[in-house]
Amino acid sequence: GAVVSQHPSWVICKSGTSVKIECRSLDFQATTMFWYRQFPKQSLMLMATSNEGSKATYEQGVEKDKFLINHASLTLSTLTVTSAHPEDSSFYICSAGLAGNSYNEQFFGPGTRLTVL
Amino acid sequence: AQKITQTQPGMFVQEKEAVTLDCTYDTSDQSYGLFWYKQPSSGEMIFLIYQGSYDEQNATEGRYSLNFQKARKSANLVISASQLGDSAMYFCAMREGYSGSARQLTFGSGTQLTVLP
Repeated sequence: GAVVSQHPSWVICKSGTSVKIECRSLDFQATTMFWYRQFPKQSLMLMATSNEGSKATYEQGVEKDKFLINHASLTLSTLTVTSAHPEDSSFYICSAGLAGNSYNEQFFGPGTRLTVL
Repeated sequence: AQKITQTQPGMFVQEKEAVTLDCTYDTSDQSYGLFWYKQPSSGEMIFLIYQGSYDEQNATEGRYSLNFQKARKSANLVISASQLGDSAMYFCAMREGYSGSARQLTFGSGTQLTVLP
């Protein structure tokens, strides 16, 4: 199966700093990448959808200026949490999808656990 | 209205027995896909099984089968011969629209399954 990596797997930062999370598709080209957020014992909530070379589409209630998403290539998308605060502490998961009907499943990264002190 | 409903926050099953995890969905699309994912405590999302709305046969993957009842809009996951390693959170998810993985998924709230020795 296709492999998606995320880096870092966990990060601790001070309030007010920015954190960048990378999502890479290792053995395929991802036309679309999705960013999810998951609080403890809760479901995955879609934050945004990004297509290579275009601006991300954010879900209602997600601050575009706080969660910057860049999808510069078909194998890399980044999520930057700007001026992080303790309430941003969460598990962030990316997934990658392929255009066309060849695949149904999205391929998920292992997730990044962010703790803001 | 919730698009994906999982009414069992927690389930217990004895090792080697079968267990059914419930999932109902709501969509007006004729074409959609239903997924089950397993999330162990490590956080990774593991794809288990997929059912397309036009698939006439229930999907099966090893010990996993999907009981698809279209008229009732339910897509229950059946795990046969439970193993201790099956203890995890299980999420039902739906993709609306035509097939392909470059479309967003909507997740249910999840069911925490515990397999007892």
